[in-house]
Amino acid sequence: QKEVEQDPGPLSVPEGAIVSLNCTYSNSAFQYFMWYRQYSRKGPELLMYTYSSGNKEDGRFTAQVDKSSKYISLFIRDSQPSDSATYLCAMSVSSNTGKLIFGQGTTLQVKP
Amino acid sequence: SQTIHQWPATLVQPVGSPLSLECTVEGTSNPNLYWYRQAAGRGLQLLFYSVGIGQISSEVPQNLSASRPQDRQFILSSKKLLLSDSGFYLCAWSSGTGFGQPQHFGDGTRLSIL
Repeated sequence: QKEVEQDPGPLSVPEGAIVSLNCTYSNSAFQYFMWYRQYSRKGPELLMYTYSSGNKEDGRFTAQVDKSSKYISLFIRDSQPSDSATYLCAMSVSSNTGKLIFGQGTTLQVKP
Repeated sequence: SQTIHQWPATLVQPVGSPLSLECTVEGTSNPNLYWYRQAAGRGLQLLFYSVGIGQISSEVPQNLSASRPQDRQFILSSKKLLLSDSGFYLCAWSSGTGFGQPQHFGDGTRLSIL
């Protein structure tokens, strides 16, 4: 079993839809949770960073962490064609190495 | 602000040739540095990480090596490339202070082995 599971998709939605992206994990020691967006032929870009359980909102993006269920989500409201990309979840324990464990990534296509 | 540079963006090399990919970070001191490989349609595989000059940890035994000759410089090398070394190579940095710091990525090098 992988430490972090993420459905690779692809996920296709119409413009304006609410998108829900999810990851599950098995290591209860994870405390820091991130979402990255990766456009084709580019490096991943940090979208959201959260610590412990709860919600965090930034514009059209909301990150949600449920440590009791070992489940994290990224919601995108009013999705746009420019949101078409691969979304990677990542998480880490408290460590000075800063190593992250990544999900496989979900490919999202927003159709105009 | 901090920036990370990787070069070259694209590289085509014959099997058996050497490799040197360079990554530099600006605007921060004593960062943690990372090399990843990403195969087409797959997730990120951590290859090496470094918490300081000359300190290299290898995650996956393979045909590659890494060095950190200066605080903000990270180099990925190979003496003889294999076909299986093809892929998208990404360098990343994170703050060396505190736990749980997010990583920030360069734009990668797409390596094709012929």
